[in-house]
Amino acid sequence: DAGITQSPRHKVTETGTPVTLRCHQTENHRYMYWYRQDPGHGLRLIHYSYGVKDTDKGEVSDGYSVSRSKTEDFLLTLESATSSQTSVYFCAISEQTGNEQFFGPGTRLTVL
Amino acid sequence: DQQVKQNSPSLSVQEGRISILNCDYTNSMFDYFLWYKKYPAEGPTFLISISSIKDKNEDGRFTVFLNKSAKHLSLHIVPSQPGDSAVYFCAASEAGSYQLTFGKGTKLSVIP
Repeated sequence: DAGITQSPRHKVTETGTPVTLRCHQTENHRYMYWYRQDPGHGLRLIHYSYGVKDTDKGEVSDGYSVSRSKTEDFLLTLESATSSQTSVYFCAISEQTGNEQFFGPGTRLTVL
Repeated sequence: DQQVKQNSPSLSVQEGRISILNCDYTNSMFDYFLWYKKYPAEGPTFLISISSIKDKNEDGRFTVFLNKSAKHLSLHIVPSQPGDSAVYFCAASEAGSYQLTFGKGTKLSVIP
């Protein structure tokens, strides 16, 4: 299994509070991604990174920001959480574009 | 507009029989296709992929077929086992693209 960890694995927070999710990889892969999974929507890309300090928006980026200061870490921040951001968040990594992506175990976030 | 469609939300199959999961796509620029398997409370696991230059790829009990003219791919699992019970996601990407576009998933139940 690819070495990908996510923290925390579960979080309950209140509307309006900031939240940061962490993804850590030990594979030294260049590309990292954040997805959210919701019933009836499959997996949707939030943001991705193609190198240290190089990031870009995905399909559902509103309300989220990311940072990547080291190859191994990719942070997803919800500046002011809303109930619509209740979801399961997955981090993924890949060596190159056009290759398969490997996913972390996920973080279940509940915003009350 | 959904570019990758899995029209069957669920499928039940007897153990030992063949499972056929289907996926349709609308974007003619897609040239790489993947299947992922997902168990509850875990991240998606890469299963098998196929490039648009092929029409079939096999890996053990799993075979993916691609029909480019029909913009259709299918995953065959033979023989099906109870441990195959999971949600299966179809995904696709364009050449050189970082982004995977996922279908909504099909829940496969293999009945002993």
